[in-house]
Amino acid sequence: EIVLTQSPVTLSLSPGERATLSCRASQSVSTYLAWYRQKPGQAPRLLISDASDRATDVPARFSGSGSGTDFTLTINSLEPEDFAVYYCQQRSDWPVTFGPGTRVDV
Amino acid sequence: EEQLVESGGGLVKTGGSLRLSCVASAFTLSDAWMSWVRQAPGKGLEWVAHITSKGAGGTTEYAAPVKGRFTVSRDDSKNTLYLQMNSLKTEDTAVYFCAISRGRGPLYHFPLWGQGAQVTVSS
Repeated sequence: EIVLTQSPVTLSLSPGERATLSCRASQSVSTYLAWYRQKPGQAPRLLISDASDRATDVPARFSGSGSGTDFTLTINSLEPEDFAVYYCQQRSDWPVTFGPGTRVDV
Repeated sequence: EEQLVESGGGLVKTGGSLRLSCVASAFTLSDAWMSWVRQAPGKGLEWVAHITSKGAGGTTEYAAPVKGRFTVSRDDSKNTLYLQMNSLKTEDTAVYFCAISRGRGPLYHFPLWGQGAQVTVSS
């Protein structure tokens, strides 16, 4: 099973600042990596698929990069709704796995 | 607007059974590959089960912790996905989300999720 590690565990920032989140895979997942945002009490929302493809209706302030084992989600100019938990997920090998999450708080 | 709505959650004793339903609206479920993903209290996300479309054979797959106890199925005439959960354990306590599975290549990501159904298993 591919293990995903996310860092940092918590990121404390202010609205308008840039957030940089990392996800590392225990083996190469090529570019088969997705990012999700989950607000409290809500379902996750897909932000980025295949490392860098923004999902439908996702604002341009979200961008993803990376390949192999190291990936980054960047959020330019944080909005109030961006203070949430972010998960990465790989779809390269069975079973699909998620990272433990990074909390972005104020 | 495309939506998934889960129901059927609740409180059950260890060893008991529960069936979750997930109804799709504003789109036809029959073409969709679908998954169940769960989230234990205060924890991260865990993929549970997957089913392909009937056109792709209706193939099912399960995560190791639930294999042999959970069964995913679909009734496309009702636009509904199911998760039958038997021999429930306290560690199955979680919010269960249904989600569309999508992606070219080996496996899939999840572009649309339901709001979740709470399952609580007590001893």
